[in-house]
Amino acid sequence: NAGVTQTPKFRVLKTGQSMTLLCAQDMNHEYMYWYRQDPGMGLRLIHYSVGEGTTAKGEVPDGYNVSRLKKQNFLLGLESAAPSQTSVYFCASSYAPYEQYFGPGTRLTVT
Amino acid sequence: LAKTTQPISMDSYEGQEVNITCSHNNIATNDYITWYQQFPSQGPRFIIQGYKTKVTNEVASLFIPADRKSSTLSLPRVSLSDTAVYYCLVEDDKIIFGKGTRLHILP
Repeated sequence: NAGVTQTPKFRVLKTGQSMTLLCAQDMNHEYMYWYRQDPGMGLRLIHYSVGEGTTAKGEVPDGYNVSRLKKQNFLLGLESAAPSQTSVYFCASSYAPYEQYFGPGTRLTVT
Repeated sequence: LAKTTQPISMDSYEGQEVNITCSHNNIATNDYITWYQQFPSQGPRFIIQGYKTKVTNEVASLFIPADRKSSTLSLPRVSLSDTAVYYCLVEDDKIIFGKGTRLHILP
């Protein structure tokens, strides 16, 4: 099993550009999450999903949108990137709202 | 909202037992306590989870007193590879990781 995978691993955007980050899991988990982590900081929850077709806001949802059209995939979109969104983005999945499995992260730089 | 408080950093030596305490005064009846470990440039990794008393696995032990207002992660005989950031979470409807505890193991 690949576990949780994230695409891409690195990306550089210019202010105002848009992009989508893809998270995929092969563990048949119901719950999926998107976090961001800034240097020296803990993880902050952006959005999460408790099942296919559902999404909910986390701690820092502004500037991001998500979709969960398939159970195994959770997409994070930035419609108009800003330098404040420079961060490392982690996706995670879990069977229940405990014991999350994390992906390797996507390092995003917005110039 | 159950907020957690843990030390910002700790140092220890190889071979010693390390105990990291987390306080969570507002923990709710149904909340579990979960600990994660994060190495640089990697996503966090689940270590252990508990509700009350003591839980032990191959990696660590988790001690939770009767009032559940705190918990202690115990790492037996640490090695240099245990240098990481350790996060304590209370799993309520808001998942808050906090800044964690930076554990530095010295030779």
